[in-house]
Amino acid sequence: GAVVSQHPSWVICKSGTSVKIECRSLDFQATTMFWYRQFPKQSLMLMATSNEGSKATYEQGVEKDKFLINHASLTLSTLTVTSAHPEDSSFYICSATSSGSPIGELFFGEGSRLTVL
Amino acid sequence: AQKITQTQPGMFVQEKEAVTLDCTYDTSDQSYGLFWYKQPSSGEMIFLIYQGSYDEQNATEGRYSLNFQKARKSANLVISASQLGDSAMYFCAMRPLFDYKLSFGAGTTVTVRA
Repeated sequence: GAVVSQHPSWVICKSGTSVKIECRSLDFQATTMFWYRQFPKQSLMLMATSNEGSKATYEQGVEKDKFLINHASLTLSTLTVTSAHPEDSSFYICSATSSGSPIGELFFGEGSRLTVL
Repeated sequence: AQKITQTQPGMFVQEKEAVTLDCTYDTSDQSYGLFWYKQPSSGEMIFLIYQGSYDEQNATEGRYSLNFQKARKSANLVISASQLGDSAMYFCAMRPLFDYKLSFGAGTTVTVRA
């Protein structure tokens, strides 16, 4: 299956700093990637849809100035949590679909666990 | 808009036994896809099985089978011959057929006992 890689897996930062998370499709081109957020023992909540070469589409209630998404190439999307605060601590996971998949399942990265002190 | 409901927060199952995870959904779309994903404690999301709304036969994938009842809008996952490695959180998800945006249910935590 298609492989999506996320980096870093873990990040701890001080309140007020910015953190960048990378999401790469390793063996396929992803024109669209999705960013999800997950709190412990809860479901995945879609934050935004990342489209290569254009602005991301954010879900209702997600601050686009807080969560900057850039999809500069067909294999890389980045999520930057700006001026992070403890309430931004969460598990962030990206996903993409491959045009080679007949059913269009999403392939997920390993996730990035952010802790803001 | 779609809504996916998983009413079982947690389940225990004995090793080698079967377990059924419930999933009901609501959508106004005529064509859609239903997915089940497994999330171990490590966090990665593992795709298990897919059912298209127009598929007449229930999907099967190894020890996983999907009991699809379209009229009832349910898509229950059956795991047969449970193994200790099946302990994880399981998510039911769906999307319209021509949109890759996936919506997830609340999830069910399965714990397999030896």
